[in-house]
Amino acid sequence: KQEVTQIPAALSVPEGENLVLNCSFTDSAIYNLQWFRQDPGKGLTSLLLIQSSQREQTSGRLNASLDKSSGRSTLYIAASQPGDSATYLCAVQDGGFKTIFGAGTRLFVKA
Amino acid sequence: DGGITQSPKYLFRKEGQNVTLSCEQNLNHDAMYWYRQDPGQGLRLIYYSQIVNDFQKGDIAEGYSVSREKKESFPLTVTSAQKNPTAFYLCASSPPGVNTEAFFGQGTRLTVV
Repeated sequence: KQEVTQIPAALSVPEGENLVLNCSFTDSAIYNLQWFRQDPGKGLTSLLLIQSSQREQTSGRLNASLDKSSGRSTLYIAASQPGDSATYLCAVQDGGFKTIFGAGTRLFVKA
Repeated sequence: DGGITQSPKYLFRKEGQNVTLSCEQNLNHDAMYWYRQDPGQGLRLIYYSQIVNDFQKGDIAEGYSVSREKKESFPLTVTSAQKNPTAFYLCASSPPGVNTEAFFGQGTRLTVV
């Protein structure tokens, strides 16, 4: 059974710092991995989707990498800003066309 | 302005009542999903539908029911059989096929009073 784990559960950094969020999954047979942002009490916003044949995707200050063989993905946020404060979730779509989510990393960027 | 609309934003349910959460999308997506989110946990799949008039149980379907009579609409009913319904409910949709992004509504927070 596919399981997705995100470490750390919470992270607090000063503004301007570069940071890395980690995601691991137990079964490498995935179609894709997606990173989402969730603000308190709100829905999820898709940030990046990496297909299983890809190694990374970039959008602005965000870069996500995927190492399928080791079951790992990282989300790199450059020059963090207070507006980046949110919960970041990763999710994998497996062979059963289901999407399995991690519990998320709560990020707080201090001004 | 395309998107997914969930209503209401907040919902209160008395013990023994059934309540229905609305989810409407104008993205012309075939697939729609209902997830439940509890504090400190990832989203868990309740039901999903790949096409009109067809839907499948997810991992935690007990105590819930859905219908998919129109492509745009996928309402979720939380029945009295659901013993712990207090949670944040999220609806999502996606185009057909794999490697497609999922789009989420803003959620409904259900509380049992």
